[in-house]
Amino acid sequence: EAQVTQNPRYLITVTGKKLTVTCSQNMNHEYMSWYRQDPGLGLRQIYYSMNVEVTDKGDVPEGYKVSRKEKRNFPLILESPSPNQTSLYFCASSLFGQGNTEAFFGQGTRLTVV
Amino acid sequence: AQSVTQLGSHVSVSEGALVLLRCNYSSSVPPYLFWYVQYPNQGLQLLLKYTSAATLVKGINGFEAEFKKSETSFHLTKPSAHMSDAAEYFCAVSETDSWGKFQFGAGTQVVVTP
Repeated sequence: EAQVTQNPRYLITVTGKKLTVTCSQNMNHEYMSWYRQDPGLGLRQIYYSMNVEVTDKGDVPEGYKVSRKEKRNFPLILESPSPNQTSLYFCASSLFGQGNTEAFFGQGTRLTVV
Repeated sequence: AQSVTQLGSHVSVSEGALVLLRCNYSSSVPPYLFWYVQYPNQGLQLLLKYTSAATLVKGINGFEAEFKKSETSFHLTKPSAHMSDAAEYFCAVSETDSWGKFQFGAGTQVVVTP
């Protein structure tokens, strides 16, 4: 089954404690990205990757890191989480296309930073 | 830069009534347009997409949307609401040279009343 898998689904952590949210896709998609979803703001892109070892900032990259060492995996790293990073996070993947390809989303990770 | 505006953060409809969700975009060139649905505690799922073929696009679960270039709109409709349509709906846009990057609207929460 084609899918994007995120882990964990729920995470509560304390300010400053490094964490990683994993994302894996089994569709051989080139393009992967991370979004955060906040009430009234929709989804905002944090980082994206067009292929292995190719990553770039999205609209709200501050406080986040990513890596793309393998095509299927795209982890999101918060080196020093802060309460304003409490949010619902989604990983998405798509074929590397000219804008007309749909994105496939993971189930989401609800992060709370206290 | 492209942007997406969804009119109405919350919409309440009666079961069996018309569902109309509004989406307007701003783009210098005709974009690709998408509607996604998010059911509680789930990721986003594609409802339909416009990729410059037919202006009236049919999607899953009885939804359809019409692309109107003159109005820069891509409104989503369903003739008869069902209780299972209760969810949050997101309009998204990408451009030819966006290589997989989407700009999402703020979302519209749909409540269906008996």
